[in-house]
Amino acid sequence: GAGVSQSPSNKVTEKGKDVELRCDPISGHTALYWYRQSLGQGLEFLIYFQGNSAPDKSGLPSDRFSAERTGGSVSTLTIQRTQQEDSAVYLCASSLGPQGRRPQTEAFFGQGTRLTVV
Amino acid sequence: AQSVSQHNHHVILSEAASLELGCNYSYGGTVNLFWYVQYPGQHLQLLLKYFSGDPLVKGIKGFEAEFIKSKFSFNLRKPSVQWSDTAEYFCAVYTGGGNKLTFGTGTQLKVEL
Repeated sequence: GAGVSQSPSNKVTEKGKDVELRCDPISGHTALYWYRQSLGQGLEFLIYFQGNSAPDKSGLPSDRFSAERTGGSVSTLTIQRTQQEDSAVYLCASSLGPQGRRPQTEAFFGQGTRLTVV
Repeated sequence: AQSVSQHNHHVILSEAASLELGCNYSYGGTVNLFWYVQYPGQHLQLLLKYFSGDPLVKGIKGFEAEFIKSKFSFNLRKPSVQWSDTAEYFCAVYTGGGNKLTFGTGTQLKVEL
């Protein structure tokens, strides 16, 4: 596609349920990020995938959060046993990646998934 | 690990006033620097970027930023703001050491008529 696509755009879930958020990056982009945006909290880094390297999971807030990226393309962020404090906008971004003589680390963002835990 | 600091969390200006938003980062090596903007109800989009070369970079909508290596700063400027510049502005840094894009906490800019 022309841009980063995220689905669903909105998700309301009950506390304790599991949710899956999907991200389709721009074709050919090797780097993929997940961020969380909460009111007044800015952009919180969650996880970073780069090519076939092991992902940088240093931003995941708890073991209820996990993410995978299949075939170097689509990524899914899973939140188990959701809590009210998980309510936020989850943003996905992709970039061409840092490899090569002219690394392109500019990230392109999707519209985000607004998650509300009730 | 690298970090990014944006000192102004909320800024209110009148139209035609000049703007400068501060951004400092902590990393001693080579950096790529970015400013992103998020207009109300819209997704994040790139305003400008610095990879190398001329430390004064110009972006869209009359914005510019200056990379001062000795001060680890990348401040955003605009000589005359418009009401339509009301948005949230994020500074970001990519470093080979951290190997990921790190954002500041953002500055909410409100421009009043």
